[in-house]
Amino acid sequence: GAVVSQHPSRVICKSGTSVKIECRSLDFQATTMFWYRQFPKQSLMLMATSNEGSKATYEQGVEKDKFLINHASLTLSTLTVTSAHPEDSSFYICSARAGVRIYEQYFGPGTRLTVT
Amino acid sequence: KNEVEQSPQNLTAQEGEFITINCSYSVGISALHWLQQHPGGGIVSLFMLSSGKKKHGRLIATINIQEKHSSLHITASHPRDSAVYICAVDSGYALNFGKGTSLLVTP
Repeated sequence: GAVVSQHPSRVICKSGTSVKIECRSLDFQATTMFWYRQFPKQSLMLMATSNEGSKATYEQGVEKDKFLINHASLTLSTLTVTSAHPEDSSFYICSARAGVRIYEQYFGPGTRLTVT
Repeated sequence: KNEVEQSPQNLTAQEGEFITINCSYSVGISALHWLQQHPGGGIVSLFMLSSGKKKHGRLIATINIQEKHSSLHITASHPRDSAVYICAVDSGYALNFGKGTSLLVTP
């Protein structure tokens, strides 16, 4: 089956620094990638949708200048958390949708970010 | 927005029991996903279905489009099945997630 990877799986950073999370589709081309955030004991919350080669579409309440998303190729999307604060500590998950089988969506394993 | 309701919220079962988790949604969808999330956080996609029934090992997923309802069944449950099971519906734009069902299977 289709595989989506995320890197890193865990990251600890200091307040004020920036952190980049990568999401890769390993064996298919992902025309659309989604970034989710999950707080403890809560469900996933969609942050933004990115289509290859165009600007990401952010959900209401998500700061685009804080969470920079780049989808530069059909197999890679990145989420950069800029000027991180402790409240940004969360579990970030990406998923990718294959262009051909449009309703199939594959999830990455997630990245746990801790900001100290 | 498509409201997604899962039941039960929490479930404890003894090893070997047959388990059913239910998911209801409010508007038409193109597909429904069942996901599994273990305590470490990683999400595994179990099923994606738009009609009928799918089976993978001890897991069975069914969907009734007319009734806007899906069920996930686990036969001969095992402690390693302990996880949070999440239903997510695809309305064509993005996924709407249920709050998850936390399953604990005891030996």
